[in-house]
Amino acid sequence: AQKVTQAQTEISVVEKEDVTLDCVYETRDTTYYLFWYKQPPSGELVFLIRRNSFDEQNEISGRYSWNFQKSTSSFNFTITASQVVDSAVYFCALSDFLRGGYNKLIFGAGTRLAVHP
Amino acid sequence: AAGVIQSPRHLIKEKRETATLKCYPIPRHDTVYWYQQGPGQDPQFLISFYEKMQSDKGSIPDRFSAQQFSDYHSELNMSSLELGDSALYFCASSFIGGADFLSEGFGQGTRLTVV
Repeated sequence: AQKVTQAQTEISVVEKEDVTLDCVYETRDTTYYLFWYKQPPSGELVFLIRRNSFDEQNEISGRYSWNFQKSTSSFNFTITASQVVDSAVYFCALSDFLRGGYNKLIFGAGTRLAVHP
Repeated sequence: AAGVIQSPRHLIKEKRETATLKCYPIPRHDTVYWYQQGPGQDPQFLISFYEKMQSDKGSIPDRFSAQQFSDYHSELNMSSLELGDSALYFCASSFIGGADFLSEGFGQGTRLTVV
């Protein structure tokens, strides 16, 4: 069965600190997708990144970076120089591969990040 | 770019009433997914449709039903509402048909409050 574990329930940092959100996944599939979503207090789910299982290249997008390691089944997310606007709940999610695309998402429990001025 | 559109954004219903949520997928998307997110919880998959046929089913109560119409929009019907049905309901869409699948996205959600 597929499973996503986000062991950090809540993280509190001061602005400009770097913070890493951990995500560990379980799947028997060889082809799968991993996602990160941000959910601000307003409630919408904001897509941050999608990574397929064949692409272990790390990615950087502005202050965000992702480290995908199949050997440890982890897909960690780092925010550099955090800002108050980064305060939100962050979800890691997993999807298997179906009909040439991805399937339903299995979410982790989420990590609530609070960035204080 | 056009995104997934859900309506209504907010809905208040009384216990035992019926509610209908609507989802309009991104143009050209052929698959719709419904998720339920209770307070402080992660989104849970309810049901999905591919080309107007149910493609997968999660932990959806028997009181709930859904369908996808010929224009690919989907509706989630919830009857005999209970207090525990109060949640955010998200719809997502995707295109499954080959290597060139479009980026996914979630609608802004419908916040259902049952009183």
